[in-house]
Amino acid sequence: QVKLLQSGAALVKPGDSVKMSCKASGYTFTDHIIHWVKQSHGKSLEWIGYINPYSGGTNYNEKFKSKATLTVDKSSSTVYMEFSRLTSEDSEIYYCARSIAGWYFDFWGPGTMVTVSS
Amino acid sequence: DTVLTQSPALAVSPGERVTISCRASESVSTGMHWYQQKAGQQPKLLIFGASNLESGVPARFSGSGSGTDFTLTIDPVEADDTATYFCQQSWNDPWTFGGGTKLELK
Repeated sequence: QVKLLQSGAALVKPGDSVKMSCKASGYTFTDHIIHWVKQSHGKSLEWIGYINPYSGGTNYNEKFKSKATLTVDKSSSTVYMEFSRLTSEDSEIYYCARSIAGWYFDFWGPGTMVTVSS
Repeated sequence: DTVLTQSPALAVSPGERVTISCRASESVSTGMHWYQQKAGQQPKLLIFGASNLESGVPARFSGSGSGTDFTLTIDPVEADDTATYFCQQSWNDPWTFGGGTKLELK
């Protein structure tokens, strides 16, 4: 069955970067785009961007263009998101999600909680 | 960006019919999708393309609409449906989500 396994919770200092992972299994990794979504205050959701595991091509929400960097390692079926220059506003949950035809999210990872604190 | 507006909360009794609305600030054609998120869990896809039921989702859930006005209907509501429901559009870049409607059972 399809699974997206995300890295564990992270505690980072203000101004630092964090790199989180999303390891896919149960399907052909290069057949589906992987997206990242931020959930703030346990409520609102924001689309950060996506990466095409086949080509490595990316597309970012303008709001996160200078904040997020998506990369892929096809050999391990893993997508990474690096989030830089962290502030307290980045202390949220980050989900990876698979999309169908780049259109909607049919499977979601369990999320990675990031806490930014000195 | 396309803003999606949802009512913040609803309370219904089990067995009733509930409609959750989502209004877009500009047309999204049928590029609207619905998710259910229970407390402490990741979102789960219910409806894609405005009206298509995701495999494995009970037929009590249905979706309708096109353009700017969309509806998710649950009929009948069951106790297990307590959750927050989000709409999401993928017609306009960037993809955006509604603020979520929290459904509580009386």
